[in-house]
Amino acid sequence: DAGVTQSPTHLIKTRGQQVTLRCSPKSGHDTVSWYQQALGQGPQFIFQYYEEEERQRGNFPDRFSGHQFPNYSSELNVNALLLGDSALYLCASSLAGVQGVYEQYFGPGTRLTVT
Amino acid sequence: AQSVTQLDSQVPVFEEAPVELRCNYSSSVSVYLFWYVQYPNQGLQLLLKYLSGSTLVKGINGFEAEFNKSQTSFHLRKPSVHISDTAEYFCAVSDGNTGNQFYFGTGTSLTVIP
Repeated sequence: DAGVTQSPTHLIKTRGQQVTLRCSPKSGHDTVSWYQQALGQGPQFIFQYYEEEERQRGNFPDRFSGHQFPNYSSELNVNALLLGDSALYLCASSLAGVQGVYEQYFGPGTRLTVT
Repeated sequence: AQSVTQLDSQVPVFEEAPVELRCNYSSSVSVYLFWYVQYPNQGLQLLLKYLSGSTLVKGINGFEAEFNKSQTSFHLRKPSVHISDTAEYFCAVSDGNTGNQFYFGTGTSLTVIP
């Protein structure tokens, strides 16, 4: 049973460019959340997708957008990259319960470096 | 919004000694609580979780945590650490009513000294 997978592993972009990160959830999971983890910090919630809709969003600008596909996989898009967007981007999958998600399983992350 | 405080940024401990990593959260309303471990250049692995029921929760690798509602704490403990426990540990909380957004602390770096 494959866990959460993310691609690419590493990425280097230039300021102003756009980037797309991808995530495949754990088998049987229907909810995908994205987090940004800056160096030396805990993960910060970006947004969560369920049934192809953004269900909840953290305190991130509109430059951060996402999508969920019918097979539950997801993409995170970041436009107009800034140096401060350099971070490890984590995808977490879960199974939606009656009161939201009860636990999340994380992928290995995508390390984004903006120069 | 919730906030999570991990009181110790770095904890050095000798091998086979006990350890406690402290975590406090801000809200006293219904919450779900989690501890995750992160090894270098890897994602987060779930150690244990508290959803409801017994306040003492046992997880993987010999770790356990105790939920204390009155003190809004969820401290992680292990009676005897191993070299392989050296890693970054994150406490996380989600709102038990909505359950969707996880709030993480800034992490505690545990270093086990031989």
